[in-house]
Amino acid sequence: DIVMTQSPDSLAVSLGERATINCKSSQSVLFTSRNKTYLAWYQQKPGQPPKLLLSWASTRESGVPERFSGSGSGTDFTLTINSLQAEDLAVYYCQQYYSSPLTFGGGTKVEIK
Amino acid sequence: EVQLVESGGGLVQPGRSLRLSCAASGFTFDDYAMHWVRQAPGRGLEWVSSISWNSDSTAYADSVKGRFTISRDNAKSSLYLQMNNLRPEDTAFYYCSKPTRTHVVLAGTFFDYWGQGALVTVSS
Repeated sequence: DIVMTQSPDSLAVSLGERATINCKSSQSVLFTSRNKTYLAWYQQKPGQPPKLLLSWASTRESGVPERFSGSGSGTDFTLTINSLQAEDLAVYYCQQYYSSPLTFGGGTKVEIK
Repeated sequence: EVQLVESGGGLVQPGRSLRLSCAASGFTFDDYAMHWVRQAPGRGLEWVSSISWNSDSTAYADSVKGRFTISRDNAKSSLYLQMNNLRPEDTAFYYCSKPTRTHVVLAGTFFDYWGQGALVTVSS
């Protein structure tokens, strides 16, 4: 199984500042023949189901604000929230879909400082 | 509008059974594999089970293999999870989840729609 490790577990960021969340996979999730990275990011607000933010490591879903961006390749990935807004208070999860079983990171809680 | 509505959750004693249902609407249900993902209260997400669009293929997490059975009824646009021999560690919100791509079962799957979740509590 591919183990997904997120860091930090939580972080407090001031409004308008940048939040950076890391995700590391225990093996590469780059499908080399297709040159595609099989990694997604979700946002989960309190009392709600997860919401898909990005797929293929860096492709924003329709309607997701541009302040959310994803980067990385191979085994190391980053979700960046630029100019943090109050509505970004949530737990963020990465997920690999390179192989079965599908696995998620443990989550990173973003709080407002 | 895509909707996934889970039902059937509740409090159950260890060793007993429970059946979850998910009513889907707003998309062509039988074009998609479907999935259950669970989340223990205050914890992270865990993929539980998947079923192909035509029920030919199923898959389970090791933690539930042999105890849970996934099924679907395309005529009713419904997904099910039969949970037997429940354990306290099965306590979680169970989400019915729709993948983004048609016909892909597991590898290559991420989720664009989730239900609100059904809470299953296993306790004596």
